[in-house]
Amino acid sequence: QSVLTQPPSASGTPGQRVTISCSGSNSNIGGKTVSWYQQVPGTAPKLLIYSNSLRPSGVPDRFSGSKSGTSASLAISGLQPEDEADYHCAAWDDSLKGVVFGGGTQLTVL
Amino acid sequence: QVQLQESGPGLVKPSETLSLTCTVSGGSISTYYWTWFRQPPGKGLEWIGYINFRGTTNYNTSLRGRVTMSVDTSKNQFSLKLTSVTAADTAVYYCARVASSTTFHFDYWGQGTLVPVSS
Repeated sequence: QSVLTQPPSASGTPGQRVTISCSGSNSNIGGKTVSWYQQVPGTAPKLLIYSNSLRPSGVPDRFSGSKSGTSASLAISGLQPEDEADYHCAAWDDSLKGVVFGGGTQLTVL
Repeated sequence: QVQLQESGPGLVKPSETLSLTCTVSGGSISTYYWTWFRQPPGKGLEWIGYINFRGTTNYNTSLRGRVTMSVDTSKNQFSLKLTSVTAADTAVYYCARVASSTTFHFDYWGQGTLVPVSS
């Protein structure tokens, strides 16, 4: 059972906009920043978004993040076949005094 | 370009100790915090803990008592030991760099190493 809650799956067709949610509580998302990671099966996670909405160098601007209250979202616009991957949200938790993750969302590009 | 590489035995027996080392290249291990994660087959990511170059540690409370991390700045390496392992500890283990100890996001990751726990 993950501390942060993500939908197990999401899907879209090429060119569409898809949103993945991540729900937490006041001890994590509500008071801390959220990061998102993309993981192609069989490979290591890759940092996609940090500090709720910032993109590291090299990440396309098709990827965007936002946070409101105790929830965060990752949006992918202009969906491409290579976006098919698992997406994980993470945040520091003040109660647990550690990093917590969502269970991951498997994105399928139809 | 910073690179991380996990190394360690490919198989651990139940009740024994899992030991992994992460070698950092392309940058100094000093200044940053470094962390370990694991991912059981078909499941999500779990944070194990972090260590900084001074040896300050913080471990996941669910694993506390079984986890020890250490750092060797002369070799640009940090290590993980997990004692009394069971089949539930079977996972891909990743090391990563903590980009910021304020926001706790992770910018460089190792490729991961699968550690099965089996007799």
